[in-house]
Amino acid sequence: AQKVTQAQTEISVVEKEDVTLDCVYETRDTTYYLFWYKQPPSGELVFLIRRNSFDEQNEISGRYSWNFQKSTSSFNFTITASQVVDSAVYFCALSALISSGSARQLTFGSGTQLTVLP
Amino acid sequence: GAVVSQHPSRVICKSGTSVKIECRSLDFQATTMFWYRQFPKKSLMLMATSNEGSKATYEQGVEKDKFLINHASLTLSTLTVTSAHPEDSSFYICSARASGRTREQYFGPGTRLTVT
Repeated sequence: AQKVTQAQTEISVVEKEDVTLDCVYETRDTTYYLFWYKQPPSGELVFLIRRNSFDEQNEISGRYSWNFQKSTSSFNFTITASQVVDSAVYFCALSALISSGSARQLTFGSGTQLTVLP
Repeated sequence: GAVVSQHPSRVICKSGTSVKIECRSLDFQATTMFWYRQFPKKSLMLMATSNEGSKATYEQGVEKDKFLINHASLTLSTLTVTSAHPEDSSFYICSARASGRTREQYFGPGTRLTVT
């Protein structure tokens, strides 16, 4: 069984502050993918990143960075110098890779509502 | 590339009527499509997985007779909410997996259903 936990339900920061969104996952599979999605008020899911379980390198993309720690089963997401436009719900998700090479369906965390105040 | 559309984006219907939601992959062929439901301030819950040309696989607790899924072609899947009730009001999101790229899922923009 797969499980994704986002313990932070809501976070509120002031613009230009850094903020980290936590994600902890559980899976018995040895090969899996981890994802982060952004869902603005419009509702459409915006893909942010996919990380393979074999690749523990941290990644930075502009103001976004991700810290993958396999030892603690965590895949945290940091926004540096937050902006009002970053306000959205952020979902972490997990998909295990099965032997045929295809991926199981996505399991989503409960989401973190980020509000960036001006 | 990899665009998924949903139609309609919003729909309001009366109790007892049926509503059809379409999910289309616009620039790729999707052998598998997924339907999710999202309640306000909640996560996405997988309802069913549909494979082109075969019956959909429903998640536990999802009524197959209530939520009819048809994946008739490699670019179109439909979700029909039959005899809708106010508790069916929700945000429905589809995603599509491309043929030969089984690790990627592309999400549609969602359909907001309100049953009065």
